[in-house]
Amino acid sequence: DTGVSQDPRHKITKRGQNVTFRCDPISEHNRLYWYRQTLGQGPEFLTYFQNEAQLEKSRLLSDRFSAERPKGSFSTLEIQRTEQGDSAMYLCASGTVAGSADTQYFGPGTRLTVL
Amino acid sequence: QQQVKQSPQSLIVQKGGISIINCAYENTAFDYFPWYQQFPGKGPALLIAIRPDVSEKKEGRFTISFNKSAKQFSLHIMDSQPGDSATYFCAASMKAAGNKLTFGGGTRVLVKP
Repeated sequence: DTGVSQDPRHKITKRGQNVTFRCDPISEHNRLYWYRQTLGQGPEFLTYFQNEAQLEKSRLLSDRFSAERPKGSFSTLEIQRTEQGDSAMYLCASGTVAGSADTQYFGPGTRLTVL
Repeated sequence: QQQVKQSPQSLIVQKGGISIINCAYENTAFDYFPWYQQFPGKGPALLIAIRPDVSEKKEGRFTISFNKSAKQFSLHIMDSQPGDSATYFCAASMKAAGNKLTFGGGTRVLVKP
């Protein structure tokens, strides 16, 4: 499968615990994006990387959230001291800046439930 | 600030009918307008996309109509099938802002057999 993959697909945790999600983008894509989607809503932008550089963080990304893309390939999103309001689907997408390309391809998402 | 507004929130159409979903945007700097289809528990999948220098784009049963002066664009699904039952999202992005997507609120489409 050459698409975007995310792991785990589902995560249930207790309030106050830390969680980490992983995203593996399409191999030739140099841009990687994280979005959050709550039930019945459209995805909201969180942050994005070009290669290993984190270029923008949304104000939605509180200081409990941190994202990395250490070698410009896979990325991790960590949430510290989880809160019930963090329950959502976390989506990763990848794309490329080559030429006029604008398309982003999404992974299946990680569904987080905070009890 | 909701930069992309989508309507209707839900839609029921008979098999073979036409589904029409509308979106309006505020930021004239947007330069790319994709539509995504999402099934429950899955990530969004790109359906079709358009740039503001084109007024219409058709791919199979899916057509985007774009009205730059009105800052509106719409998705038409022709000959709707039960397998088209899903949530559809319009989105907008601009190259100058890293192509990050701003999504509409979504339209839940149900195609009745």
